[in-house]
Amino acid sequence: AQSVTQLGSHVSVSEGALVLLRCNYSSSVPPYLFWYVQYPNQGLQLLLKYTTGATLVKGINGFEAEFKKSETSFHLTKPSAHMSDAAEYFCAVSDRDGDMRFGAGTRLTVKP
Amino acid sequence: AAGVIQSPRHLIKEKRETATLKCYPIPRHDTVYWYQQGPGQDPQFLISFYEKMQSDKGSIPDRFSAQQFSDYHSELNMSSLELGDSALYFCASSLGVVSGNTIYFGEGSWLTVV
Repeated sequence: AQSVTQLGSHVSVSEGALVLLRCNYSSSVPPYLFWYVQYPNQGLQLLLKYTTGATLVKGINGFEAEFKKSETSFHLTKPSAHMSDAAEYFCAVSDRDGDMRFGAGTRLTVKP
Repeated sequence: AAGVIQSPRHLIKEKRETATLKCYPIPRHDTVYWYQQGPGQDPQFLISFYEKMQSDKGSIPDRFSAQQFSDYHSELNMSSLELGDSALYFCASSLGVVSGNTIYFGEGSWLTVV
């Protein structure tokens, strides 16, 4: 079964600093990987996804992620954090049926 | 653009009661997924439907059942509710079940069991 592991349940950065949220996956087949963001009391919004092709994926709000097969990783980055980026971030992998399995989530706090 | 619509947004039930959550997928989407997110937890996959047939089953309790109707909306029925069923229930939809298709989530239905 496919799964993802998010390293660090809480990440705190200063406004303007680099954001790095880590995600490692486990899969016996080429994975499809996603990052979702969840703001308080809201649903899950897709940030970006990797299916095939270019391994560096750009998403909304200035986020990007790089699929590294050799490291089984799909870390999410943003060069400069904004206060509005404070939220819960979920890495996810979808299986052959399209069903999605989520990581435990990483809560991002942005300090002024 | 139209999104996934869930109703009700908030629901309070007593133990051993029954609750029904409804989900209206994005127009033309034929696949619906249900997820349960407990407080401080990651979303857990419950069940999915493609073209009105169950396509996959996750950690859905036997007390729960779901179906997808001819207009592609779906309902999640929960019986003999327990305190531990209190959670945010997400519905999501996609076009087809091809792995890698983007799954779009609704804003969730908050169920509180007291």
